[in-house]
Amino acid sequence: NAGVTQTPKFRVLKTGQSMTLLCAQDMNHEYMYWYRQDPGMGLRLIHYSVGEGTTAKGEVPDGYNVSRLKKQNFLLGLESAAPSQTSVYFCASSYPPRVGSSIDSPLHFGNGTRLTVT
Amino acid sequence: AQSVAQPEDQVNVAEGNPLTVKCTYSVSGNPYLFWYVQYPNRGLQFLLKYITGDNLVKGSYGFEAEFNKSQTSFHLKKPSALVSDSALYFCAVREGTGRRALTFGSGTRLQVQP
Repeated sequence: NAGVTQTPKFRVLKTGQSMTLLCAQDMNHEYMYWYRQDPGMGLRLIHYSVGEGTTAKGEVPDGYNVSRLKKQNFLLGLESAAPSQTSVYFCASSYPPRVGSSIDSPLHFGNGTRLTVT
Repeated sequence: AQSVAQPEDQVNVAEGNPLTVKCTYSVSGNPYLFWYVQYPNRGLQFLLKYITGDNLVKGSYGFEAEFNKSQTSFHLKKPSALVSDSALYFCAVREGTGRRALTFGSGTRLQVQP
């Protein structure tokens, strides 16, 4: 199994350009997430999805859009890139957290996409 | 609201010595706590978790973590550090009775010297 695959691995954009990051998972996970990682700030949640056709905002959603048309794919879009969006982007997936249960599925992460906006 | 603090940006330890990476948390209910490790140019990998039960949790690669409810801490420990343990470590929390996504700390870089 490939696990969580992110494409592309690297990208350089000019301010105002748009792009889409693709995340694909082959573990039949319901939940998928997009995080950004910045030095000294850890990982911050951008958007997440609890199932096909549903998405929700995370901690830092502004400037990003997402879509989950298929269960195995979660796309992150930047409509008009800004230098503040220079970051490393990580996709993750998991089974749903179970309320009040001692079972909690860990997140499985992709290897990241390094995006630079000039 | 839920939050995590990792007070040390970097921890240096000699190979063979015990290591501790600190983490404190804040949640409104029961915490579900996790440690993840990140090697260079890779995504995060799950190390261990505390959901309920024994306060001492054992995980991958010889790591363990101790849950302390009164101090709201979940420190990561290993009795004898290896050079290969050098990596970036993240603590994460979510409130157990909800369905919120994990909140991660800012990360602690562990450097193990030969």
